[in-house]
Amino acid sequence: SQKIEQNSEALNIQEGKTATLTCNYTNYSPAYLQWYRQDPGRGPVFLLLIRENEKEKRKERLKVTFDTTLKQSLFHITASQPADSATYLCALDFNTGKLIFGQGTTLQVKP
Amino acid sequence: GAGVSQSPSNKVTEKGKDVELRCDPISGHTALYWYRQRLGQGLEFLIYFQGNSAPDKSGLPSDRFSAERTGESVSTLTIQRTQQEDSAVYLCASSLTRGKYQPQHFGDGTRLSIL
Repeated sequence: SQKIEQNSEALNIQEGKTATLTCNYTNYSPAYLQWYRQDPGRGPVFLLLIRENEKEKRKERLKVTFDTTLKQSLFHITASQPADSATYLCALDFNTGKLIFGQGTTLQVKP
Repeated sequence: GAGVSQSPSNKVTEKGKDVELRCDPISGHTALYWYRQRLGQGLEFLIYFQGNSAPDKSGLPSDRFSAERTGESVSTLTIQRTQQEDSAVYLCASSLTRGKYQPQHFGDGTRLSIL
């Protein structure tokens, strides 16, 4: 079965630096991949989507890359701010119409 | 409303009781999903509805779990004879369609605690 791995350890960085989060998957490549942000006690909020034929997508300070050879997506937040502190989830659709979520990585940006 | 609404936000009940969780999707969204999120874990797919098509129930963990949706509106998730392992946050999401590349819009969930 498909497995999705995100760093279980929290990522702590200094304000202003670039945060990089990793999402790895096994076996087949997904049709597309989404990244969500989740704050404590809240539901996930959609951030970005990248398709199987795309290598990179940007939105303001956010950038997502998708490497089907490495079976990996990287999620970058540039010029990070304390307000970026949250848990970030990757979610993949392997052509089933259903999203499979990773367990999430918690980001803590310190002022 | 503007977003996905879930109720109740919190539910505490005794083991063995039945519970019913409600989800109001965004108006006009034909696809609706239910997920379970255990503490510190990712989201576990339970069931989804798409318009008038038969729901995909492949994620329901046991026959104690069931869900209904009336047309393209409200959905209810029912858990019968609750067990302690059912304690989790139950999240509902909707999307414009079930098609590829559709982002999902989530409610804030129902936090279910089984004593």
